[in-house]
Amino acid sequence: GQQLNQSPQSMFIQEGEDVSMNCTSSSIFNTWLWYKQDPGEGPVLLIALYKAGELTSNGRLTAQFGITRKDSFLNISASIPSDVGIYFCAGRGTGGTSYGKLTFGQGTILTVHP
Amino acid sequence: DADVTQTPRNRITKTGKRIMLECSQTKGHDRMYWYRQDPGLGLRLIYYSFDVKDINKGEISDGYSVSRQAQAKFSLSLESAIPNQTALYFCATSETGTGGNQPQHFGDGTRLSIL
Repeated sequence: GQQLNQSPQSMFIQEGEDVSMNCTSSSIFNTWLWYKQDPGEGPVLLIALYKAGELTSNGRLTAQFGITRKDSFLNISASIPSDVGIYFCAGRGTGGTSYGKLTFGQGTILTVHP
Repeated sequence: DADVTQTPRNRITKTGKRIMLECSQTKGHDRMYWYRQDPGLGLRLIYYSFDVKDINKGEISDGYSVSRQAQAKFSLSLESAIPNQTALYFCATSETGTGGNQPQHFGDGTRLSIL
């Protein structure tokens, strides 16, 4: 089946620093999604990407759909304490048995020190 | 009010017991999903349903069953719970869209512990 490798697994940063995380896939995806999970809650969608090369921003967050369609990155600029949480990438395959289903990365645990 | 509601939020039970986790949604979405989350493994798909008469196995369906009672309700059952089914379980929904590209929206999860 499809596999996603998300890195880094965890990050400890100072408030104000920029953050970058990425996901790579063993196969082509036609959609990339980035989610954030706060403690005790379900994942919440941050950014959705639908085209290779697409670069999309949501406030201090920027994500890109890689040209090869096998990778994506998420950047957070000027981090603040409320950025703490687990960030997941998720990709959707190109049809057949992958239709409508998401494959998730392992998650990046972000800790921001004030 | 939450759009995707899971009950219970927490459950502790014993090995061999039958357990049902419930999910209801007010988003009017046709598609519903059940995932489990384990540390370091992300979310893995257990079962999914694209409409009331449709049930499909996901990546890790063994030991689980589901029922789509109505468009708004999708329940997950563990017929005979075992300790390695201890995990955080999430229900999600999505709209029907061209190419199956609609994002999924998650409930707040059910933390299940099996002793």
